[in-house]
This record gives sequence, C-alpha cells and structure tokens, in this order.
Amino acid sequence: DAGVIQSPRHEVTEMGQEVTLRCKPISGHDYLFWYRQTMMRGLELLIYFNNNVPIDDSGMPEDRFSAKMPNASFSTLKIQPSEPRDSAVYFCASSRASNTEAFFGQGTRLTVV
Amino acid sequence: QQPVQSPQAVILREGEDAVINCSSSKALYSVHWYRQKHGEAPVFLMILLKGGEQKGHEKISASFNEKKQQSSLYLTASQLSYSGTYFCGTERNYGGATNKLIFGTGTLLAVQP
Repeated sequence: DAGVIQSPRHEVTEMGQEVTLRCKPISGHDYLFWYRQTMMRGLELLIYFNNNVPIDDSGMPEDRFSAKMPNASFSTLKIQPSEPRDSAVYFCASSRASNTEAFFGQGTRLTVV
Repeated sequence: QQPVQSPQAVILREGEDAVINCSSSKALYSVHWYRQKHGEAPVFLMILLKGGEQKGHEKISASFNEKKQQSSLYLTASQLSYSGTYFCGTERNYGGATNKLIFGTGTLLAVQP
C-alpha cells in the first residue's frame, strides 16, 4: 500500500478563496483524522471519521471549515473563505481500528496570502 | 485539554539517555507516542493502554501511570537518528476507547555526535 496520500502537497492561495484539501486513506482503515499543525498551537485534531461517518468535529475552528468523507477511500477538507490565519500544515491520518497505530500522510502546506 | 510535555527541548550527545514526560489533567484511557522529523509526518512509536503498562521499541521504552495521569518516554543510548520532535497523544477515559487523540505540546530532541 502506498500509505495515506494527500494532495496537493503545497497550496498558496489568496485570502477569500476556497481551498480544498484531499486525502486517500490506507485501504481497510476504518478511521480517518484531519489534523492541523502550527508552531503556535501544535498538532490539533480538527475532525475524525469512523466508517465514513463524522464522529467528532469539535476541533473544527469555525463554520468556514467543513469536511466530508463520501466513501471509504476519499475525504476532503474545505476552507471557504480562506484567511491568512488558516496557514498551516494539514495532515490526514488513518488507522485500522481504535487504539492502533495511526499512519499520517505527508501533509499539505497551506499558505493564505 | 492538551497534555503538557516536559522538557520542551533537550540536547544530547550520542549514547546519552533522556526522559520525556507527558501529563494530563484528565483521566486517560491510553497514551500514544509519535516522533516527527523536520518537514516530515509524525511516525508512530507505541501505544500504552490504561492499566499501567510499559512497552519497549528498540532502545525506546515508555511507561504509563494511570493514577498519576502521566506517561514517560525513555530513550537510552541515544543515536543520531533519534533526533526529532516527540509528541504524546492522549485519549481521555470515558469508559472505553474513543480514538480521539489530543496531542501534547511536543519535545524537541537533538542528538549531537
């Protein structure tokens, strides 16, 4: 398996634009997580899914952020409209079951100017 | 609530030992440890479940004191490859596994020749 695949690896966008980050989890993994990493706040859990169903989205900063998982092999994180403070590295991770290793994708470095 | 890690940073010479601590103000179900190298994704080290277990991974081991809501990561005879930022991820105890990991503030470890 190629691991968790995220796209794009880098995204530079202007304030106010819509941004969509994509993630393909490892096949057979039931859990999918979206994290955001910044120097100030560290690694924050935004939302996670179990069997494509959102379980906890309490970490989503505000209504500008939304996440979907239409099927077991694909998830998106959308920011609309984007703001400079959204600049961060966004990681997607997946795990086979609870209390098992989470595999992280290589991340998307988002810069909003 | 984000667990607190200490120290924030540590510099070692090859062959020296180090201990990284992770403390939570809430009752914990499990503790996960990850290492992240600069510009890369976090990589799993180990999971400790409630019950006060200890685990080992090469020359890296960890303990989990459920009563004190603390975990410690022990690195013995450190190697250059151990350099990176270490994160603990804690799962609160709601009476069962939730798989919701909250990561600590991170500990930067630098091993010098």
